[in-house]
Amino acid sequence: EAGVAQSPRYKIIEKRQSVAFWCNPISGHATLYWYQQILGQGPKLLIQFQNNGVVDDSQLPKDRFSAERLKGVDSTLKIQPAKLEDSAVYLCASSLTALRAFFGQGTRLTVV
Amino acid sequence: SQQGEEDPQALSIQEGENATMNCSYKTSINNLQWYRQNSGRGLVHLILIRSNEREKHSGRLRVTLDTSKKSSSLLITASRAADTASYFCATDITGGGNKLTFGTGTQLKVEL
Repeated sequence: EAGVAQSPRYKIIEKRQSVAFWCNPISGHATLYWYQQILGQGPKLLIQFQNNGVVDDSQLPKDRFSAERLKGVDSTLKIQPAKLEDSAVYLCASSLTALRAFFGQGTRLTVV
Repeated sequence: SQQGEEDPQALSIQEGENATMNCSYKTSINNLQWYRQNSGRGLVHLILIRSNEREKHSGRLRVTLDTSKKSSSLLITASRAADTASYFCATDITGGGNKLTFGTGTQLKVEL
């Protein structure tokens, strides 16, 4: 079975620039998560989708972060404008049930 | 905010020894899951224990759950160098809409 695909793997941008990440979940998985993982910390949930509806975005900095999931499949996460503290790994995960989440390899963002 | 906190933050052992890491959480849960993360990679699901279970085994892994103390432990027996990774607990909070909240992680190093 194909896993969760994310791109790009790495991205370096200057502060105040914009960046977008893409995620293709496992086919048939209704739930999609975006997590931010700062070096040395656990993943922090940014947003959770159920099909194409938002279930939880309470920790998404909405003044600069946005996410969408078109047609309940692929998803994009955008940061505009980026700040130095946004440097982190952005992980996408999908699940069929609450019993197990499948993670992509992540996108490592460096803001300079 | 982090739901779970892992203890210890870092653990270094010799190959063949057992490794125990603990997770404490704050609110009522449906289940608790453990994930492994190799450096620079995505997270991989290891094992799940439901709130009505007290102990679960999978290969060299043993998980316990004490809901009265809101804590769980992960035991890896006969550790191998390949077990070197970060380990995270994740909780599916009761009424949380399948949201997975991760702890702070334990960095395990298994030396030859």
